[in-house]
Amino acid sequence: EPEVTQTPSHQVTQMGQEVILRCVPISNHLYFYWYRQILGQKVEFLVSFYNNEISEKSEIFDDQFSVERPDGSNFTLKIRSTKLEDSAMYFCASSGVNEQYFGPGTRLTVT
Amino acid sequence: GENVEQHPSTLSVQEGDSAVIKCTYSDSASNYFPWYKQELGKRPQLIIDIRSNVGEKKDQRIAVTLNKTAKHFSLHITETQPEDSAVYFCAASSTSNTGKLIFGQGTTLQVKP
Repeated sequence: EPEVTQTPSHQVTQMGQEVILRCVPISNHLYFYWYRQILGQKVEFLVSFYNNEISEKSEIFDDQFSVERPDGSNFTLKIRSTKLEDSAMYFCASSGVNEQYFGPGTRLTVT
Repeated sequence: GENVEQHPSTLSVQEGDSAVIKCTYSDSASNYFPWYKQELGKRPQLIIDIRSNVGEKKDQRIAVTLNKTAKHFSLHITETQPEDSAVYFCAASSTSNTGKLIFGQGTTLQVKP
């Protein structure tokens, strides 16, 4: 069964640095998403992406964040100038005509 | 703004008993309600979903009910097993399955053998 994949599984970075989280959605899916989950809390929507542009974004998704689909398979989340409070698990998801499938997540630790 | 409230936050049951988790949503335009199971350190996985044109859906030991008038929906697990122990999240979307999901706070279910 096809799965959403994400790399890296764990990223440690220093405050102020930029990170890029990578996702490979399921190949025939057209809708892509990023969510985050701070430890012990609920999953929060960040951004959705369709037809090579952002379709919706949350209040969390400010100028510090950007998304890109650089080629036909990858979907990336860039976080500029990371802050301590950016530490969380970041999940990529994709959907076709049915459910949203989640990737395994990237645990981002900002020190 | 859009919000989903989920109760209880923790639930402990004996193996074989039933478990019920309840959610309420604020956006009356919501039309898609999935439930995800998340085991420790793993990705959320869809276990069942329901759309607004249906009042109830069942899949083996799992059922979901939806009351659009009251804006609440519930997950029912019968004959619980230890492997049902996990965190369960409800969610709601106003753009069917292709829109953003607004998640509830999660319920930690513990099934005691």
